[in-house]
Amino acid sequence: EDQVTQSPEALRLQEGESSSLNCSYTVSGLRGLFWYRQDPGKGPEFLFTLYSAGEEKEKERLKATLTKKESFLHITAPKPEDSATYLCAVQSGLHDYKLSFGAGTTVTVRA
Amino acid sequence: GAVVSQHPSRVICKSGTSVKIECRSLDFQATTMFWYRQFPKKSLMLMATSNEGSKATYEQGVEKDKFLINHASLTLSTLTVTSAHPEDSSFYICSVWREARSYEQYFGPGTRLTVT
Repeated sequence: EDQVTQSPEALRLQEGESSSLNCSYTVSGLRGLFWYRQDPGKGPEFLFTLYSAGEEKEKERLKATLTKKESFLHITAPKPEDSATYLCAVQSGLHDYKLSFGAGTTVTVRA
Repeated sequence: GAVVSQHPSRVICKSGTSVKIECRSLDFQATTMFWYRQFPKKSLMLMATSNEGSKATYEQGVEKDKFLINHASLTLSTLTVTSAHPEDSSFYICSVWREARSYEQYFGPGTRLTVT
C-alpha cells in the first residue's frame, strides 16, 4: 500500500524566512509525485509533478525536488500570500491513476 | 482560468433527503474523474473513480448505494448522496484526470455539505 508522510504538520514563518517542507513516500513503482496548494474552503490547486529522482521544478518562490524516497518543497523568501496547506500526493503503477495524499503541511507566513 | 467546476458550492439538507453534486470539466473531455471527501484539517480521501459510460469504481469502505455516481458525458460527473445523515457532512471535491498531460489531476473548488 502506498504511504505518504508529510512533515512538519505546521510551519510558522516570518516573511522572507526561507524553509522546506518534506514529503516521504513508499510506493510500488512511482509514476509521479504531485504537489498541491490548498486554501481554506477551496479545492487543491496544482503546483508541480515530478516523475524521477533528481528532477526539480520551480514556480515563483516555490521549488520542488525529488529523490527516490522523498520530495522537498522549498519556499524562498515567503510572503503572507504563500500561507496555505501544501499537499503531497503520489501515484503508483499498481493503482491506475489514483492519488494517495499525505496529511499536508499548513504554512503560515507572518508579515 | 478554472479547469473544473462544481455545483453547488454549499448545500444544507435535512437528514433523510438526497443531494446531488455536479462536477464539470471545463477545458477538455475527461473519461475519468475522481470523487474525494475531506474532513476538517484532514487530507483528501478518495471515494470513487468515475468512468464515462461505465460503472464507477468505489474504494473499500465506501457504500456504492449511498454515494451514487453517474458519469453520463465526457464533461460531467455527478455524485448523489442518498438518504443523507449528519455523518455525511463533509467537503466533497472532484478531480479530472488530464490524459494529455501524463497523470496530472485538476481539482474542483469543492462542495460543502451540511446535513441537519
